[in-house]
Amino acid sequence: QVQLVESGGGVVQPGRSLRLSCAASGFIFNNYGMHWVRQAPGKGLEWVGVISHDGTNKFYADSVKGRFTFSRDSSKNTLYLQMNSLRAEDTAVYYCAKEGPRNGYNYFDYWGQGTLVTVSS
Amino acid sequence: EVVLTQSPGTLSLSPGERATLSCRASQSVSSYLAWYQQKPGQAPRLLIYDASNRATGIPARFSGSGSGTDFTLTISSLEPEDFAVYYCQQRGNWLTFGGGTKVEMK
Repeated sequence: QVQLVESGGGVVQPGRSLRLSCAASGFIFNNYGMHWVRQAPGKGLEWVGVISHDGTNKFYADSVKGRFTFSRDSSKNTLYLQMNSLRAEDTAVYYCAKEGPRNGYNYFDYWGQGTLVTVSS
Repeated sequence: EVVLTQSPGTLSLSPGERATLSCRASQSVSSYLAWYQQKPGQAPRLLIYDASNRATGIPARFSGSGSGTDFTLTISSLEPEDFAVYYCQQRGNWLTFGGGTKVEMK
């Protein structure tokens, strides 16, 4: 079965960096684009961006462009989110999500459990 | 950016009742709209994609309709496990989510 397991969340000071990981299993990782979606405490869902199946194309929400970077390692079936210059408004649960229900469809058919990032001094 | 407006903000219903949730887009997204269910402390779950297609394993009591700018999620007869927050999401123009509708037990 498809599993996505995020890690790397925690408390970080404003202006600092953090890297999240998302380990994928149960599907052919190289066939699917992967997304990041975040949810501030008590708020709705915000799409952060997507990395294509082969890592060549990346699209970012305006709120994170220039500060966040996506990457993926096919040998480890792992997705990464490098977050730099963090701000208080980046505080959220971060989810990785698999595109679906077919490749090329920008919906999210499987989600990780989420990892909480808190930006605070 | 396409803005998705969901209404109502909260829907208070009893088990067995019919729930009708609305999602309105600021411009046409064709049929490129999905619905998700999220329960407290859990990740969202895909219910409906491309406006009217049920995702794998989703019960038939969930149905979606609409195209262009107006979309509806209908739960024909609420089960206790259906009380949750529901989000719409479009992929017709970039990717955005609606603000959510909470379905609470009356």
